[in-house]
Amino acid sequence: AQSVTQLDSHVSVSEGTPVLLRCNYSSSYSPSLFWYVQHPNKGLQLLLKYTSAATLVKGINGFEAEFKKSETSFHLTKPSAHMSDAAEYFCVVSGRTGGFKTIFGAGTRLFVKA
Amino acid sequence: DVKVTQSSRYLVKRTGEKVFLECVQDMDHENMFWYRQDPGLGLRLIYFSYDVKMKEKGDIPEGYSVSREKKERFSLILESASTNQTSMYLCASNSNRGYEQFFGPGTRLTVL
Repeated sequence: AQSVTQLDSHVSVSEGTPVLLRCNYSSSYSPSLFWYVQHPNKGLQLLLKYTSAATLVKGINGFEAEFKKSETSFHLTKPSAHMSDAAEYFCVVSGRTGGFKTIFGAGTRLFVKA
Repeated sequence: DVKVTQSSRYLVKRTGEKVFLECVQDMDHENMFWYRQDPGLGLRLIYFSYDVKMKEKGDIPEGYSVSREKKERFSLILESASTNQTSMYLCASNSNRGYEQFFGPGTRLTVL
């Protein structure tokens, strides 16, 4: 079975400081992992993806994530937050575990203070 | 670029009305999905389709049906809208070659 847990429902940072959004997953198979971002009243946009290649994945807008199998984590980071990063972020696990299945995390809302 | 479009950004309907939400993708994707998104509940899968005329129930199919007559189009139907179906509806698609899903902009449906 697959599952994904986003450890924080809300994260607040000041502009220019680092961002850390935490995600733990559970999967019986080698998973594919994704981070999506959703700005208010918009659809979800893919930030980055891990599909069993390099464990450090770089995405758009300066975000990156590291796949750590030993910790079953896929945390999203950015060195310096920008006001435009304020949005909701979803960690997603996907894979063929007896069928095609995609599991979305509950989401983490990122607030960026000026 | 993959493009997924949804027929309406905002929709207001009355209880008991039949509601059609349309989704079109232009990348020849095999799979299409309908989700609803509610505060505190995240995204929940309503239905998905892996081929023309094929459909599978997701986690919350009650009160909904779907139609996929052409590969690029996937419709969500509310046979008799109810107030508890007020929500944001998101359509997505992907191919069999990759797991990432591409999302439309969403339809915010209000049922009065």
